[in-house]
Amino acid sequence: GAGVSQSPSNKVTEKGKDVELRCDPISGHTALYWYRQRLGQGLEFLIYFQGNSAPDKSGLPSDRFSAERTGESVSTLTIQRTQQEDSAVYLCASNPQGGNQPQHFGDGTRLSIL
Amino acid sequence: AQSVAQPEDQVNVAEGNPLTVKCTYSVSGNPYLFWYVQYPNRGLQFLLKYITGDNLVKGSYGFEAEFNKSQTSFHLKKPSALVSDSALYFCAVRDSGYSTLTFGKGTMLLVSP
Repeated sequence: GAGVSQSPSNKVTEKGKDVELRCDPISGHTALYWYRQRLGQGLEFLIYFQGNSAPDKSGLPSDRFSAERTGESVSTLTIQRTQQEDSAVYLCASNPQGGNQPQHFGDGTRLSIL
Repeated sequence: AQSVAQPEDQVNVAEGNPLTVKCTYSVSGNPYLFWYVQYPNRGLQFLLKYITGDNLVKGSYGFEAEFNKSQTSFHLKKPSALVSDSALYFCAVRDSGYSTLTFGKGTMLLVSP
């Protein structure tokens, strides 16, 4: 079946511009996660959606970062007024109900800020 | 708080030899532990997890990991490495009081022919 799909796969933009990244989770997965992967720094948790509950935004690094999810489907991560330190791979993952179930990852969006 | 450490940035092993990738963790409650693998330009893939029960956990592609509570470790092992095992490996932990995982920085495994 279809896996987690992320778009675009690559995004190059100028400093100060806004960017929007999209994630389509596996159908039926109520839990959705966003991570940031900087070179040599592992994965940083950004935000977690679980069903209709309020999202866990504790990992968002600044108020320039926000994310939305429509029901149990698509999610968008928005970065406003991009900075060079925002350059990274942004990964999305989903699983059926959160908790200890394995997370299924998309291939990420590679964001480069010039 | 929950944290995980992968002390080696890179592990080198010859094909056919056993491999170990180290992971230690820190939690306040009960630990739930995971290993994931990442190939170039791809997302992470789940390998195995420890939730409860037997300390030796078997996973995908012949990998296994041993949970050691006294040493707070969860090292990944494989009896005989393959060149195709070369990839970036991540250990992750979830404390019983948390809803999300904390990942280590990753260890690059290089298997030479």
